[in-house]
Amino acid sequence: AQKVTQAQTEISVVEKEDVTLDCVYETRDTTYYLFWYKQPPSGELVFLIRRNSFDEQNEISGRYSWNFQKSTSSFNFTITASQVVDSAVYFCALSEFGGSNFGNEKLTFGTGTRLTIIP
Amino acid sequence: ETGVTQTPRHLVMGMTNKKSLKCEQHLGHNAMYWYKQSAKKPLELMFVYSLEERVENNSVPSRFSPECPNSSHLFLHLHTLQPEDSALYLCASSQEKRGADNEQFFGPGTRLTVL
Repeated sequence: AQKVTQAQTEISVVEKEDVTLDCVYETRDTTYYLFWYKQPPSGELVFLIRRNSFDEQNEISGRYSWNFQKSTSSFNFTITASQVVDSAVYFCALSEFGGSNFGNEKLTFGTGTRLTIIP
Repeated sequence: ETGVTQTPRHLVMGMTNKKSLKCEQHLGHNAMYWYKQSAKKPLELMFVYSLEERVENNSVPSRFSPECPNSSHLFLHLHTLQPEDSALYLCASSQEKRGADNEQFFGPGTRLTVL
């Protein structure tokens, strides 16, 4: 069975500080995808990144960066120079190929980390 | 309208009521999903429809009844719910194709309160 653990329930940092959100996953598959989603107060989940299990290169997108470590089953997310607009709940998710004709329809989510950026 | 829309955004209902949640996607996707988001719990996948056929039903009580009349619309019919069913119900869609970029795109959700 697959599982995603986000041990940090809530984090608060002062604006402009860097912050890292942790994600640890469990899966028996060798082929899987990892995701991060952002859920602002408006409610909808906003897709941030998708990573496949064969690509361990770290990725940077503006102030966002992701560190995928297969050896520790972690996919951590760092925001540098945080801004108030970054305040949201962030979800890490995992999907496995189920052997069907479909792709990644079975997402397993973590419980989320509520990030508050203090002005 | 763009993306994934859901109506209503808020719903309060009694345990004996019948109501329906509506989801519409404007992305040309071929798969749609219903998730339940309760406080302090991970998002729970409820139903998956692909090409208008239900392909996943994660042991959801029969008081929740999904309907997918076409690839753009998804409904969740609610009947004799319980207070513990109060949650945020999220709809999502994706283009299901192995190996392709098939991220799920979410709607804003319907905040349901069962009295």
